Amino acid sequence: QKEVEQDPGPLSVPEGAIVSLNCTYSNSAFQYFMWYRQYSRKGPELLMYTYSSGNKEDGRFTAQVDKSSKYISLFIRDSQPSDSATYLCAMNMNSGGYQKVTFGIGTKLQVIP
Amino acid sequence: EAGVAQSPRYKIIEKRQSVAFWCNPISGHATLYWYQQILGQGPKLLIQFQNNGVVDDSQLPKDRFSAERLKGVDSTLKIQPAKLEDSAVYLCASSFNQVSYNEQFFGPGTRLTVL
Repeated sequence: QKEVEQDPGPLSVPEGAIVSLNCTYSNSAFQYFMWYRQYSRKGPELLMYTYSSGNKEDGRFTAQVDKSSKYISLFIRDSQPSDSATYLCAMNMNSGGYQKVTFGIGTKLQVIP
Repeated sequence: EAGVAQSPRYKIIEKRQSVAFWCNPISGHATLYWYQQILGQGPKLLIQFQNNGVVDDSQLPKDRFSAERLKGVDSTLKIQPAKLEDSAVYLCASSFNQVSYNEQFFGPGTRLTVL
């Protein structure tokens, strides 16, 4: 079993739809939970990070963490064609005194005008 | 603030040849990471430096891959000899430090094709 599981998609939605992206994880040592966005032929860029269970909102984006279920989500409201990208979940833990990040495989999202 | 710089952006080589990638992190960032991202997969950490010391190279194929970070700034990643399965995007990232959570900033990557 992989430490981080993420559905690769692709996910295709019409413009204006609400998008839900999810990851599950198995390692209870993960402390921080991140969502990165990666456009084609670009490096990943951080969208949001959370530490505790609950919701965190930033504009059209909401990150949700449920540590009891080992489940994280990213919601995108009023999706735009510019949101078309691959979304990577990532999780961080302290390992031997340094921070170690594990990425999911990414979900490819296409928002159709 | 300048971002993470990488070169070259693209490289095509034949198997058994050698190749080197270069990374210049964001000024002042002590921690530098090299990731391998195979098509359709997430980034996999190859090696992590804190200043010029290695803190994690557990997933680096040491029989063919090597990396160094001289003077705790720029870094190079080398593959010698390359195999077909090394075809991937090699991403460099940097963060301020590794003491606690710090955002990683990624460069654009070097896309390697091994024929």
